[in-house]
Amino acid sequence: NAGVTQTPKFQVLKTGQSMTLQCAQDMNHEYMSWYRQDPGMGLRLIHYSVGAGITDQGEVPNGYNVSRSTTEDFPLRLLSAAPSQTSVYFCASSNPGQYLGYTFGSGTRLTVV
Amino acid sequence: KNQVEQSPQSLIILEGKNCTLQCNYTVSPFSNLRWYKQDTGRGPVSLTIMTFSENTKSNGRYTATLDADTKQSSLHITASQLSDSASYICVVSPSTGTASKLTFGTGTRLQVTL
Repeated sequence: NAGVTQTPKFQVLKTGQSMTLQCAQDMNHEYMSWYRQDPGMGLRLIHYSVGAGITDQGEVPNGYNVSRSTTEDFPLRLLSAAPSQTSVYFCASSNPGQYLGYTFGSGTRLTVV
Repeated sequence: KNQVEQSPQSLIILEGKNCTLQCNYTVSPFSNLRWYKQDTGRGPVSLTIMTFSENTKSNGRYTATLDADTKQSSLHITASQLSDSASYICVVSPSTGTASKLTFGTGTRLQVTL
């Protein structure tokens, strides 16, 4: 199994550009989440989904949109990139249950200039 | 405010030595605590998950302990190897399942040298 696949691995954007970070999982997990990781800070939740057609905001949702049309895919859209969105983005998936961990993708390193 | 604090921020040890990483949390109510290993340029990978009723859990050379009364956890690495060089992240959840509730520590960066 591939697990959680994120594309692209690296991306450079100019301020104001838009783009979509892709995330796909093949484990039939109900939960999917997007996090950003910045130096000196813990991972922070951007948006999450508890199932197809259901999404909700996390801790830092401004400037990002998500949709969940299928169980497998959970893309993250940057509407108008800003330098403050320079970060490493991780997608994660899980099934409900306190004994289960989250499976993370390998990340997308985004630089906004 | 829910917080997870880890110490030390960074640590350098010789190969073959043991080390212990600390995690203190103020998350309440408490459901479970997880330790993740994150290699450079990779996503976090789960090492252990403990509920409030568990005191110790092992995964190979990794042993996690939990004291729910003092809200402290530790991760002990035995006979360290070069491949243990990574960041170790403590994550606390106040409830089961929902992704929105996880609180992440900033991690301890471990470097194992020859």
